[in-house]
Amino acid sequence: AQKITQTQPGMFVQEKEAVTLDCTYDTSDQSYGLFWYKQPSSGEMIFLIYQGSYDEQNATEGRYSLNFQKARKSANLVISASQLGDSAMYFCAMREGWGFGNVLHCGSGTQVIVLP
Amino acid sequence: GAVVSQHPSRVICKSGTSVKIECRSLDFQATTMFWYRQFPKKSLMLMATSNEGSKATYEQGVEKDKFLINHASLTLSTLTVTSAHPEDSSFYICSMIGRNVYEQYFGPGTRLTVT
Repeated sequence: AQKITQTQPGMFVQEKEAVTLDCTYDTSDQSYGLFWYKQPSSGEMIFLIYQGSYDEQNATEGRYSLNFQKARKSANLVISASQLGDSAMYFCAMREGWGFGNVLHCGSGTQVIVLP
Repeated sequence: GAVVSQHPSRVICKSGTSVKIECRSLDFQATTMFWYRQFPKKSLMLMATSNEGSKATYEQGVEKDKFLINHASLTLSTLTVTSAHPEDSSFYICSMIGRNVYEQYFGPGTRLTVT
């Protein structure tokens, strides 16, 4: 079974509007971490935001916020006030457990295009 | 600033040559590094987990004799694509967990083109 599911292959969003990127995950572990990365056309993976499974508050980092619904196993990313520079591929990822050798599993990604 | 470097960023080589990609941790010591492969517009596919001082653990379907991994020190892991063929053309990216488990960094990636 897929550990991370991103159902939106691509999205258009108008500049200055907010956009929500969906992510659901599958794990039987109680301890896990959820990550979002941005990958522009250059290829580098840019860390955006992290949510731990025991964190009660939704994570926020500037214009990025993570809508963590633990019971539904969803970790949607919200980008507020979209900018042209936000056009990129976005990956949701999960790492189970707290071990330093545990693997990070990535979703299939969502391509976001911000329109002027 | 960058915490993980990867070199080279781009390689074009002829079929049959071997290519070595280096991944360095600049800011912390990493006992474990991960190597991923990414095809255009696709997700990152884990190839192997590299452990300092021991043999790498390869994912199913990844040929260990084809993709040699050496984690020689706590700051350096190398991936060598041996006798590269056009089907090995891809984007290779390394990753490691930082000082804390909530930090995971990626290198800038290496784009390999085999002609």
